[in-house]
Amino acid sequence: GQQLNQSPQSMFIQEGEDVSMNCTSSSIFNTWLWYKQDPGEGPVLLIALYKAGELTSNGRLTAQFGITRKDSFLNISASIPSDVGIYFCAGSSRASSNTGKLIFGQGTTLQVKP
Amino acid sequence: SAVISQKPSRDICQRGTSLTIQCQVDSQVTMMFWYRQQPGQSLTLIATANQGSEATYESGFVIDKFPISRPNLTFSTLTVSNMSPEDSSIYLCSVESRFDYEQYFGPGTRLTVT
Repeated sequence: GQQLNQSPQSMFIQEGEDVSMNCTSSSIFNTWLWYKQDPGEGPVLLIALYKAGELTSNGRLTAQFGITRKDSFLNISASIPSDVGIYFCAGSSRASSNTGKLIFGQGTTLQVKP
Repeated sequence: SAVISQKPSRDICQRGTSLTIQCQVDSQVTMMFWYRQQPGQSLTLIATANQGSEATYESGFVIDKFPISRPNLTFSTLTVSNMSPEDSSIYLCSVESRFDYEQYFGPGTRLTVT
């Protein structure tokens, strides 16, 4: 079945530093989504990507849909303590079936030192 | 984005019993999904629940263990049957936007089976 490899598994950075994480897939996806999950909460959608090569920003967050459609990255600039949490990538290979099924990466746990 | 609520938010249950989790959305949606997130792990899709049809289960999940109802376009339930400690997880429902392929998650139900 489809698998997503997300890296790094965890990061411990200083406040103000930039962060980069990525996901790679063994197969092509049509949609890439990036989520953040805080303890005790459900994942919150950060950025959605729909086209190969697409680069999208949401405040200090920037994500790109890889040209090969098998990878995506998420950058966080000038990290702050509230960026702490688990970040998940998710991909969908939706075609005409319109299933909406998402495959999730293993998550990147981010800790920010004030 | 849709506003999604789940009940209960958490529960502690005895082995062999069943628990029904409710998911309510503030707007009509076609596709609803149920995910499981085991402790410290990523999200795994259990099934897709479409109104007016049987739920579609992913490999490794069966209707007898996780029966799902979808009586209308704003509500769904997931039952975890004959529970064992291995069923201790966070159970999350999600909905797909009517306008794009983005999925939004509820806050989750944290289940502990003793």
